[in-house]
Amino acid sequence: GAGVSQSPSNKVTEKGKDVELRCDPISGHTALYWYRQSLGQGLEFLIYFQGNSAPDKSGLPSDRFSAERTGGSVSTLTIQRTQQEDSAVYLCASSPGQGRYGYTFGSGTRLTVV
Amino acid sequence: AQSVTQPDIHITVSEGASLELRCNYSYGATPYLFWYVQSPGQGLQLLLKYFSGDTLVQGIKGFEAEFKRSQSSFNLRKPSVHWSDAAEYFCAVGARSGGYNKLIFGAGTRLAVHP
Repeated sequence: GAGVSQSPSNKVTEKGKDVELRCDPISGHTALYWYRQSLGQGLEFLIYFQGNSAPDKSGLPSDRFSAERTGGSVSTLTIQRTQQEDSAVYLCASSPGQGRYGYTFGSGTRLTVV
Repeated sequence: AQSVTQPDIHITVSEGASLELRCNYSYGATPYLFWYVQSPGQGLQLLLKYFSGDTLVQGIKGFEAEFKRSQSSFNLRKPSVHWSDAAEYFCAVGARSGGYNKLIFGAGTRLAVHP
């Protein structure tokens, strides 16, 4: 597609429920990144995918967070047993190659855990 | 570890005034440096980037930034601010990690523009 597409744009969920956030990167971009932006905070790196290589999961805050990327394209970030501290904007980005020239970001999913 | 510091959380300027947003980084090698802008409810848009060569880089929307290695800084400037520039600005350093370029972001500076 023309840009990075994320869905849903907003998600309200009850504490303890699981949620799935979707990211559709720019066609042809081999690298995909997830970041989390909490209120008043900068962007926190979560996970990176590059082609068929093993992802860099070093930023995932707990084992309740997981992500997959199917067919080198669409990615899903799953948060199990959501907690109130998971409330944030989750941003996805993609880049050609290894991201030397910066990333293109989607508009994000605003997650609210009540 | 790599880090980025944006000392100013909020800045308010009058429309037409000049602007400088500060950014300091910590990185052991020659950095890749970026400035992004985020308007309310939007994702991040790349304003400009520095890799090497000329230390003064030009970006979109009339912004420029200067890389100063001796000060570990990459400050963003604009000679005359427009009301539409009100947004949050993020500085980032590209840290080579495991063969790719991981962007490490500062906490952001929120810019308000008075008419």
